[in-house]
Formats: sequence, C-alpha cells, structure tokens
Amino acid sequence: GIQVEQSPPDLILQEGANSTLRCNFSDSVNNLQWFHQNPWGQLINLFYIPSGTKQNGRLSATTVATERYSLLYISSSQTTDSGVYFCAVSGGSNYKLTFGKGTLLTVNP
Amino acid sequence: GAGVSQTPSNKVTEKGKYVELRCDPISGHTALYWYRQSLGQGPEFLIYFQGTGAADDSGLPNDRFFAVRPEGSVSTLKIQRTERGDSAVYLCASSLQMQDTQYFGPGTRLTVL
Repeated sequence: GIQVEQSPPDLILQEGANSTLRCNFSDSVNNLQWFHQNPWGQLINLFYIPSGTKQNGRLSATTVATERYSLLYISSSQTTDSGVYFCAVSGGSNYKLTFGKGTLLTVNP
Repeated sequence: GAGVSQTPSNKVTEKGKYVELRCDPISGHTALYWYRQSLGQGPEFLIYFQGTGAADDSGLPNDRFFAVRPEGSVSTLKIQRTERGDSAVYLCASSLQMQDTQYFGPGTRLTVL
C-alpha cells in the first residue's frame, strides 16, 4: 500500500514564528488531506489538496503531486496551533486514507 | 450544519464482552469510513461503505469485527469477544462521495479491562 512519511516528528516554536511541515508519499494520490488533532482528540480538517496550492488565513498548503510531497505552512504561530498535524492520502481506485505518524507542534507563549 | 456524531463518547467493557459503536454521518454523505487510533499513532483504516455496501473491509483486524450500514446512513461497528488489545479510539468519517473530503467525528474511546 501507499506509504506516508511526515517530518519533522516534533517541532517547538515561540509564538509568532513560522513553520513548514512536510509530507512525502510513495505513489500517485487521488486524495490528500491535512488535519490538526486538538488536545481533545478531534481531527479538524485543514485542507483537501491532492494537487496545487491553497490558503486559509495563516495556513497554506502546497502539493506537488509529480514529486510526491506536500507542505503545510503555518505563519505567525499561536499557542492554539499546538497539537498533532497529520497528513493522510489515498491512491488509485481506493479512497481509504493512510495517515502519516504526524508532527507534534508545541507553540510556547 | 451538524457534523459527524458518534456514540457513546466513552465505553468501558470487560474482556470477552460484545460492544456496538454508532456513527451518524453528515446528512447526504454517501461514503462512510471507520478508523481506529491507538495512543501515539495516526488513525488506521478499518472499513468503508459506499451507500449500504462495504466497498472495502480490508482493514478489519479479524472476524470479531463487523460493521453494517443497513439504510445507507447510520453505521454500527460491532466487536465480539473484546480483547484488551482492542482498546483504542474508534473514529468515523463521512464524505459526500468517495473521492471528496472526509470529515471526522469526535470518536469513541473504547477501554477493555
């Protein structure tokens, strides 16, 4: 099946800093989603981005499908951005999501 | 509108017991997915439905696990003869069509003593 690798595994920032999270995947995809899992365990959908670039406020994402990677940018980070960020993909005729191990982001005041 | 809902939010049971976990998808969503998340890991796929039929059940770990979606809306995940290793958060997601964005519910935390 499709493999997903996320980096870095952990990231500690000061409030106001910018960051880039990376997701590499092993095959062509028909779905790629970025999620933020908050401290209560809720998976919040950030982007549906199998290709191209999208922006939503301080967050933006880019997927380069031909090179099999996606990037999530967080600008002017806030303490409420803390949590685990997951990249998840599906490929071929299958739509089940395969998740990476996540990036644990801690934003300190 | 209302998101995906799951009940119960927490379930504690004893080894060997039977449990049912319920998922109410977003109204009008035709695809429904079940995932399981163990502590410190990303969610792992169990099964998904397109309408009433299971399109892919390759993630179910063994025949103690079964899921149904009889009317193409609500789904129930059933676990027989629970084991301590079944303890995890069970997540449900739905999407308008299979290729669309999947929206997740809050999960059911299952603890098997």
